[in-house]
Amino acid sequence: KAGVTQTPRYLIKTRGQQVTLSCSPISGHRSVSWYQQTPGQGLQFLFEYFSETQRNKGNFPGRFSGRQFSNSRSEMNVSTLELGDSALYLCASSLYDEQFFGPGTRLTVL
Amino acid sequence: QQQVKQSPQSLIVQKGGISIINCAYENTAFDYFPWYQQFPGKGPALLIAIRPDVSEKKEGRFTISFNKSAKQFSLHIMDSQPGDSATYFCAAQGTSGSRLTFGEGTQLTVNP
Repeated sequence: KAGVTQTPRYLIKTRGQQVTLSCSPISGHRSVSWYQQTPGQGLQFLFEYFSETQRNKGNFPGRFSGRQFSNSRSEMNVSTLELGDSALYLCASSLYDEQFFGPGTRLTVL
Repeated sequence: QQQVKQSPQSLIVQKGGISIINCAYENTAFDYFPWYQQFPGKGPALLIAIRPDVSEKKEGRFTISFNKSAKQFSLHIMDSQPGDSATYFCAAQGTSGSRLTFGEGTQLTVNP
C-alpha cells in the first residue's frame, strides 16, 4: 500500500505571497490532518478533515485554511505569507486512531 | 491543559544500553498515546502506541509503560543501536477526531 504523499516537497516563496500544499492520503483513509513543524514550536496541529468536512482546528490564524476533496485528497493554503511561516508542513492520514505521516513540504519564506 | 511535557530534550546512550524517554500529560480526556520516530528530512513514523487501560505494551525492543494515576508514560528502547539515533516524539489524542498533541521531542544519539 502506498504511503502518504505530499507535493511539492520544497517551496520557496516571498512575504505576502500565498501557497497551496497538497496531500494524498493512504488509500481508504478518510481523515487527513495537517501539522506545522518548526524548531521553536515543535509539532503543532493545524486542522483535520474528515469526509470533506473540517472536524478539528488548531490555534492558527485565518490565513491558514484547508479543504478535502471527495477522493480524500487534501490541500492546505496559506495566504499573505510571513517569515514565521517557514516550516515543515506535514500531512497525516488515518483510518482509526493510528496516524501515518507523509514526508512533508519544506516551505521557506524569504 | 492540552500540553504534553517530554524529557529529556537530548539523550546519549551507548550501543546495547537502554534508552528511556518520559512524558507527562494534563488532559484526562486523552485516551490514545503514540510514540513517533523521526529521522532528518523525513516525516514522523509511528513506532508504538498505548491506551490507558493497559499499563505496558511491548513491540520488539520498544516498550511503553503507562501510569494513568500519575498521568505519565514512557518509552523504553532496549539494546539501543546506532540506527535508533533519531528524534522521538510522544503524543496524546482525545476522542474527538484525529488531533495529536505532541511533546517537545527527544534527540537520541546511540554511540557505537
